Amino acid sequence: DAGVTQSPTHLIKTRGQQVTLRCSPISGHKSVSWYQQVLGQGPQFIFQYYEKEERGRGNFPDRFSARQFPNYSSELNVNALLLGDSALYLCASTIGGGSDTQYFGPGTRLTVL
Amino acid sequence: QKEVEQNSGPLSVPEGAIASLNCTYSDRGSQSFFWYRQYSGKSPELIMSIYSNGDKEDGRFTAQLNKASQYVSLLIRDSQPSDSATYLCAVYSGNTPLVFGKGTRLSVIA
Repeated sequence: DAGVTQSPTHLIKTRGQQVTLRCSPISGHKSVSWYQQVLGQGPQFIFQYYEKEERGRGNFPDRFSARQFPNYSSELNVNALLLGDSALYLCASTIGGGSDTQYFGPGTRLTVL
Repeated sequence: QKEVEQNSGPLSVPEGAIASLNCTYSDRGSQSFFWYRQYSGKSPELIMSIYSNGDKEDGRFTAQLNKASQYVSLLIRDSQPSDSATYLCAVYSGNTPLVFGKGTRLSVIA
């Protein structure tokens, strides 16, 4: 079975631009979470979606938004990019919306110049 | 603010030795505990999950949980150079799916 997939793998943007990252969960998983990991730090929670509804939001500005589609795939959008948004963006999928084990995709490496 | 603390390392152990990785957490209501391994430039990979006090063994890995002390650890027996990576402790506490520590960098010396 395919694991969590993310696209694109790498992305280079300039300050002020907008970016959309995509994630497809493991088949049968209904929840997707997004994390940001900057170099030398652990992943920081951004959003969780379960059954297409937002279940949780981390301490990130409104420039960050996300949604989940009927097929449970998800998009993370970041507007007005800042240099500090450069990071590895991770998507994780779980079967349900609670404390289930989360399985991570390969990540999208975003560089903002 | 819910926090998970880990020594950043690096922790260096010789090949064949036991590596001991430690983690403390601030929220007494935490329910689920996870250890992930992350190689440089890659995404986290689940090693172990543990939910109740005591030890849980899986191959060369043993997770230990002590909720009274708010402490969780990971032991790696017969450490191999391929175990060299950053080990992330993660805790589930309420609405935030996972709160991660900063990770401990492990180096196994051949």
